[in-house]
Amino acid sequence: GAVVSQHPSWVICKSGTSVKIECRSLDFQATTMFWYRQFPKQSLMLMATSNEGSKATYEQGVEKDKFLINHASLTLSTLTVTSAHPEDSSFYICSARVVYEQYFGPGTRLTVT
Amino acid sequence: AQSVTQPDIHITVSEGASLELRCNYSYGATPYLFWYVQSPGQGLQLLLKYFSGDTLVQGIKGFEAEFKRSQSSFNLRKPSVHWSDAAEYFCAVGAGAGGTSYGKLTFGQGTILTVHP
Repeated sequence: GAVVSQHPSWVICKSGTSVKIECRSLDFQATTMFWYRQFPKQSLMLMATSNEGSKATYEQGVEKDKFLINHASLTLSTLTVTSAHPEDSSFYICSARVVYEQYFGPGTRLTVT
Repeated sequence: AQSVTQPDIHITVSEGASLELRCNYSYGATPYLFWYVQSPGQGLQLLLKYFSGDTLVQGIKGFEAEFKRSQSSFNLRKPSVHWSDAAEYFCAVGAGAGGTSYGKLTFGQGTILTVHP
């Protein structure tokens, strides 16, 4: 139980384009999902908290107009990186909260050329 | 604000040797503590967690961790390491209910474990 999937697992896009990453809870409902960013050999940095049916809460320093988050249902949250640039290249991981625990997706590797 | 420190960036052990990964936390209330493992290019897998009760918790893959409130520590241990344990390990502290940070995790910097045959 408590499986979280992400799609795609790997994406390459050109600078200036937008890319959408999906995070799904497969066998449970999650009112809250989190989006993290991880640079090579570094820890996870929380970007935003996604709550079903309401606006996402962004951490300090994260551009909300650049990283659009939509949590339209209890099993799906999406992160759209708008007008991507090479510095947005990173490993993006989502998680779904169940009470005090988080279940993590396998991550999405974004490369912007 | 909560914080987590993992003092060891990289640890190398021989297969079959014992392992202890250190984790110190800072949190104003009773913490919810977690250890996760991450293989390269993968998401995080939960090894074990502490919410309350017995301070020695057992997890998957033969791991255990001990919560020591007096030392603000939650060290991860394994009596005999296998080559497949090579990965990166993250300690995390979670925020409880009643605030805007409910359910948020703060991660340590991670410890990379290398296992020699």
